Amino acid sequence: GAGVSQSPSNKVTEKGKDVELRCDPISGHTALYWYRQSLGQGLEFLIYFQGNSAPDKSGLPSDRFSAERTGGSVSTLTIQRTQQEDSAVYLCASSPPGTGLNTEAFFGQGTRLTVV
Amino acid sequence: QKEVEQNSGPLSVPEGAIASLNCTYSDRGSQSFFWYRQYSGKSPELIMFIYSNGDKEDGRFTAQLNKASQYVSLLIRDSQPSDSATYLCAVQGGKLIFGQGTELSVKP
Repeated sequence: GAGVSQSPSNKVTEKGKDVELRCDPISGHTALYWYRQSLGQGLEFLIYFQGNSAPDKSGLPSDRFSAERTGGSVSTLTIQRTQQEDSAVYLCASSPPGTGLNTEAFFGQGTRLTVV
Repeated sequence: QKEVEQNSGPLSVPEGAIASLNCTYSDRGSQSFFWYRQYSGKSPELIMFIYSNGDKEDGRFTAQLNKASQYVSLLIRDSQPSDSATYLCAVQGGKLIFGQGTELSVKP
């Protein structure tokens, strides 16, 4: 596809269940980011993948959160034992290779997660 | 201290006025600075980026960067009601970190 694709667009899950959110970045983009946005709030950084380098996981809020990126392309964000405070929009973005400067991050449409 | 901080909103300006949005950052090693716009219920979209000290103009938008003061701003001239949105400052030095956003309302 032409843009960053995220699935599902909406997810309702019961407290305590595990969920997987998928991000398909723009072809050829080496950088991939996950953010969380709660209602009326800014973008909370979760994790950053850049090429084959070790991911920057410094934003993951707890060990219930994990993410992987297979083959340098598709990424999956997994939340185990979901809690109500995990309810938010999860946004994925990708950016092209280059010097690292001036590389626009393109966002997907997000996954709205609701934990009931 | 948050890594990227923006002036609290909401900011309300009349149509045709200049809107001024401000942002400070804590990491002196940051290299690139971005302004994104986010309409309600939508994903962020890039307005401008800047990486050198000084001003950068693009149409009605001017980004200003002062690395010594760790400060970046966005000016919107001749503000239009369609500019009403949340404006997000983002700073990159490896990972891309966003501020909490400033909501701008342009009144006709």
